[in-house]
Amino acid sequence: QKEVEQDPGPLSVPEGAIVSLNCTYSNSAFQYFMWYRQYSRKGPELLMYTYSSGNKEDGRFTAQVDKSSKYISLFIRDSQPSDSATYLCATHTGGFKTIFGAGTRLFVKA
Amino acid sequence: NAGVMQNPRHLVRRRGQEARLRCSPMKGHSHVYWYRQLPEEGLKFMVYLQKENIIDESGMPKERFSAEFPKEGPSILRIQQVVRGDSAAYFCASSSGHGNTDTQYFGPGTRLTVL
Repeated sequence: QKEVEQDPGPLSVPEGAIVSLNCTYSNSAFQYFMWYRQYSRKGPELLMYTYSSGNKEDGRFTAQVDKSSKYISLFIRDSQPSDSATYLCATHTGGFKTIFGAGTRLFVKA
Repeated sequence: NAGVMQNPRHLVRRRGQEARLRCSPMKGHSHVYWYRQLPEEGLKFMVYLQKENIIDESGMPKERFSAEFPKEGPSILRIQQVVRGDSAAYFCASSSGHGNTDTQYFGPGTRLTVL
């Protein structure tokens, strides 16, 4: 079993839709949770960083962590074509060793 | 304010040759991480280095792969006697190393193709 599971998609939505991206993880020791966005042929860039359970909002993006079910989510409101990218969830226990999901490819159609 | 720099961006090697990938961390960062990304797969941790020290290389194959981060100059990921299975995108990330919320910033990657 992978430590972090993520549906690779692709996920295709119309412009303006609310997008929900999800990951599950297996190790209850994970405390820190991140979402990265990766455009084609580019390096990942950090979008959101959360600690433990709860929600965190930044503009159109909301990250949600439910440690009881080991489930993490990223919501994108009013999605734009420029949001089309691969979204990677990631987590670590507080050290340096970050575990990444496989990434979900998102396409937002104009 | 330069970010993480990697070169070359694309590298083509024939089987049996050596590949050298370079990474210059962000200004002020002394921690470097190397990851490998295969198509349709996530980033796989390879090695974590601080200046002149390898902290963790548990994700790096024991043979043919080596990494260094000298006191001066970029970090180098070296792959000897490359095989087709080494074809992948190799990403470097750097961080300041401060605290549990230490954020890793990624470079644009080097895409290695082994013919």
